Amino acid sequence: DQQVKQNSPSLSVQEGRISILNCDYTNSMFDYFLWYKKYPAEGPTFLISISSIKDKNEDGRFTVFLNKSAKHLSLHIVPSQPGDSAVYFCAAIQTGANNLFFGTGTRLTVIP
Amino acid sequence: DSGVTQTPKHLITATGQRVTLRCSPRSGDLSVYWYQQSLDQGLQFLIHYYNGEERAKGNILERFSAQQFPDLHSELNLSSLELGDSALYFCASSEEHGTGIGDSPLHFGNGTRLTVT
Repeated sequence: DQQVKQNSPSLSVQEGRISILNCDYTNSMFDYFLWYKKYPAEGPTFLISISSIKDKNEDGRFTVFLNKSAKHLSLHIVPSQPGDSAVYFCAAIQTGANNLFFGTGTRLTVIP
Repeated sequence: DSGVTQTPKHLITATGQRVTLRCSPRSGDLSVYWYQQSLDQGLQFLIHYYNGEERAKGNILERFSAQQFPDLHSELNLSSLELGDSALYFCASSEEHGTGIGDSPLHFGNGTRLTVT
């Protein structure tokens, strides 16, 4: 049972435009959400996170939005750069638990 | 460079065989996690060790086992291998007992790609 879902396997965006990556979850007990970025032949690296007590967290060009009622979060990248081309994983966890649940990833391609 | 080292990078073996994947966590990190990423799947949590003790198990098959040694490196043992075990296996470490949230994010190694033929 996939508790974290990324329904778009891929996304292509022009350089300079906004990239929006979406993620849905089913477990209402999740209270912390993270995005990881993965380049080929490398492991995922932590990008940004958000607690369920917030609805927005911003870090430079990256902003994560959380809509708890819809059990939905999104990652916005503005402006998108070619170096952002990677696979992005959404992850969720219930505080105190030991298991980060990951989505299947969205491959972002930023076209120069 | 995350500081987490996984060996080998690639492993090709036959069905029925047994393999050992190795992980050295970042210096100072006490927690080690193992994840499996099969084709078109997200990362599936297998097991978590903290300072040598098993803390949590996820969807880990009985044919799989792991341990964390006194020097904090960890090994994942996969036995009676099946074709479906072909996947990327990631190790991650973090400072705390926590799960990589807040000030203690998970740091992933580059993974071991296992191919079972």
